[in-house]
Amino acid sequence: SQQGEEDPQALSIQEGENATMNCSYKTSINNLQWYRQNSGRGLVHLILIRSNEREKHSGRLRVTLDTSKKSSSLLITASRAADTASYFCATDYTGGFKTIFGAGTRLFVKA
Amino acid sequence: SAVISQKPSRDICQRGTSLTIQCQVDSQVTMMFWYRQQPGQSLTLIATANQGSEATYESGFVIDKFPISRPNLTFSTLTVSNMSPEDSSIYLCSVVASEAEVGTQYFGPGTRLLVL
Repeated sequence: SQQGEEDPQALSIQEGENATMNCSYKTSINNLQWYRQNSGRGLVHLILIRSNEREKHSGRLRVTLDTSKKSSSLLITASRAADTASYFCATDYTGGFKTIFGAGTRLFVKA
Repeated sequence: SAVISQKPSRDICQRGTSLTIQCQVDSQVTMMFWYRQQPGQSLTLIATANQGSEATYESGFVIDKFPISRPNLTFSTLTVSNMSPEDSSIYLCSVVASEAEVGTQYFGPGTRLLVL
C-alpha cells in the first residue's frame, strides 16, 4: 500500500502544551499536505509543503519535511481545546494523479 | 478556494436499496473526487469524477456499485447501489479548485450513511 503512516495514532495533551505528529511515506512526492478533521466532518486543509521545501509555518503550525527520510512532522504550538481533532497527512506522489492519505492522528487537548 | 455542499448530510437506508449523494461547488473547479471514510479510518479514494465523461475508478471500486456523474464543472453525484451494511461510511466530495492550487483539496462536510 502507498498509504503513509502517522504516529502517534492518538495523542492527549494539556492545553498550552505543544503537539507533534509525524508522517512517513514510501515513494517520491511532489508535495505533502496536512488536514484537520473535526468529529467525522469534512477535512480542512491546513498547510502544503513542496518537495523542495524543508520547513513551513502558518500561525501556530510548523511543518517540516525530510525527503531523505521520507517523513514530515506537524507541530502545533500552545495547543487549545479547539485543536482537538484528527490530523491527516496526505501526499501527491511523483508521476501519480491522486492524493494518498495517511492513517491519521487523533489529538485530544484537555482544557 | 471553494465552498462545497453535500446532500444529504446523513441517511439511514435499508440493505438492497440505493442512495444518491449530491455535491455542489460554488465555483467551477478543475477536479472533483469522491472518498469513503469508514468508521475510525482514513480516507480512501473511490474515483475521480470527470466532467462529461466516465469517472476514473480506483482499484476495488466499480462503476456498477458506485456510479458517478459530473454533468458540469460545479456538480457531481455519487450513487451507492445495492447497499449492504459494509457500505456504512462517511462519503466525502472534494475538489481541486484550479491548476494553481494542485495539491490543495477542499472538502464537503460529508454524508454519513448507515445501512441496516
